[in-house]
Amino acid sequence: EAGVAQSPRYKIIEKRQSVAFWCNPISGHATLYWYQQILGQGPKLLIQFQNNGVVDDSQLPKDRFSAERLKGVDSTLKIQPAKLEDSAVYLCASSSKSVWRATEAFFGQGTRLTVV
Amino acid sequence: ELKVEQNPLFLSMQEGKNYTIYCNYSTTSDRLYWYRQDPGKSLESLFVLLSNGAVKQEGRLMASLDTKARLSTLHITAAVHDLSATYFCAVDYHNYGGSQGNLIFGKGTKLSVKP
Repeated sequence: EAGVAQSPRYKIIEKRQSVAFWCNPISGHATLYWYQQILGQGPKLLIQFQNNGVVDDSQLPKDRFSAERLKGVDSTLKIQPAKLEDSAVYLCASSSKSVWRATEAFFGQGTRLTVV
Repeated sequence: ELKVEQNPLFLSMQEGKNYTIYCNYSTTSDRLYWYRQDPGKSLESLFVLLSNGAVKQEGRLMASLDTKARLSTLHITAAVHDLSATYFCAVDYHNYGGSQGNLIFGKGTKLSVKP
């Protein structure tokens, strides 16, 4: 079974530039998460989709971050404009949960973003 | 707001020794997950604990869940160097009055096993 695919693996940009990350979840997984993991910390949830609908984006900095999952499969996360503090690994995860309960999430390799 | 606290955050131990990592959380939940992360790698699922009193074992690792105490433990038996990694617990958090579930992570415990 193919895992969660993410691209690119690494990205270096200057502050105030924009960047986009792509995620393809495990086939059949309805739930998709984007997490931000700053060096030395645990992953922090940015946004959670159930199919193509957002169920939790309470910790997404909406002035600069946006995410979409138009057809309920692939997802993109965008940052515009980037700040130095956005330097982190962005992890995509998917799970086959129902609407009501979280189940085991499977993580992609992540995209390491460096903002200079 | 759910808080998930792990301790210790750093653990250096010798091969052959036993130790326990603790995960406390601040609100009601009956589902807890343990993940392992190697440097520069993604998170690998280790254990899924779905009810009070659940105990799971895999090799030298054993995880348990006490939902009344809001506590999970990850016990390491006779540690070996290959167990060196960062271990995260994550709690299933019901937001908005229980209508949705998502995973909230602790800060992780960095384990170093020395010969």
